[in-house]
Amino acid sequence: DGGITQSPKYLFRKEGQNVTLSCEQNLNHDAMYWYRQDPGQGLRLIYYSQIVNDFQKGDIAEGYSVSREKKESFPLTVTSAQKNPTAFYLCASSTGRSSYNSPLHFGNGTRLTVT
Amino acid sequence: AQTVTQSQPEMSVQEAETVTLSCTYDTSESDYYLFWYKQPPSRQMILVIRQEAYKQQNATENRFSVNFQKAAKSFSLKISDSQLGDAAMYFCAYIAYGGATNKLIFGTGTLLAVQP
Repeated sequence: DGGITQSPKYLFRKEGQNVTLSCEQNLNHDAMYWYRQDPGQGLRLIYYSQIVNDFQKGDIAEGYSVSREKKESFPLTVTSAQKNPTAFYLCASSTGRSSYNSPLHFGNGTRLTVT
Repeated sequence: AQTVTQSQPEMSVQEAETVTLSCTYDTSESDYYLFWYKQPPSRQMILVIRQEAYKQQNATENRFSVNFQKAAKSFSLKISDSQLGDAAMYFCAYIAYGGATNKLIFGTGTLLAVQP
């Protein structure tokens, strides 16, 4: 079955360490996204990519970095510059620009805890 | 700037009853799309229902329906015959038509509890 795989489900890191969250999709979608979810704040967009080798900052990109070397993969690195990295991270994909007929498909998320 | 507001942080409904979740949004666009997503305890985000702003007819998907009031910028979700499996966080989302990306703007969510 096609879908989006995020790994690992739970991730623990020490403060000051960079950490990379994996996101892989086999839906042949062009666009991929990273959202951060905090209690009481809904989902906020970190980065998005519409095609391979291209990506743009979302609303809260500071302290994060991404790469899009392959269509299927969009890893997110949480750097030590991110002041409050503990959160739930969701990866999503879609076929492209048309939003109504290509709504977002989400992965199961990664819960990152930094102590 | 576009915003989406869900004023009910938590709601509760009895099994088999009907519940309505509220959502309002602010935009200067005339054409846009609205969505309701469900996030159960598994935390998987699932699309429940969607509405095109230029369509006056309210969208319906089985037990889920919306009340779309464009002039009031209101997009409420009605769940009929509530089931235990409906217990989840529900997010309202907006995107402008023809936007450069599929950049959804989400509300803060409503946590729905279903009482047996």
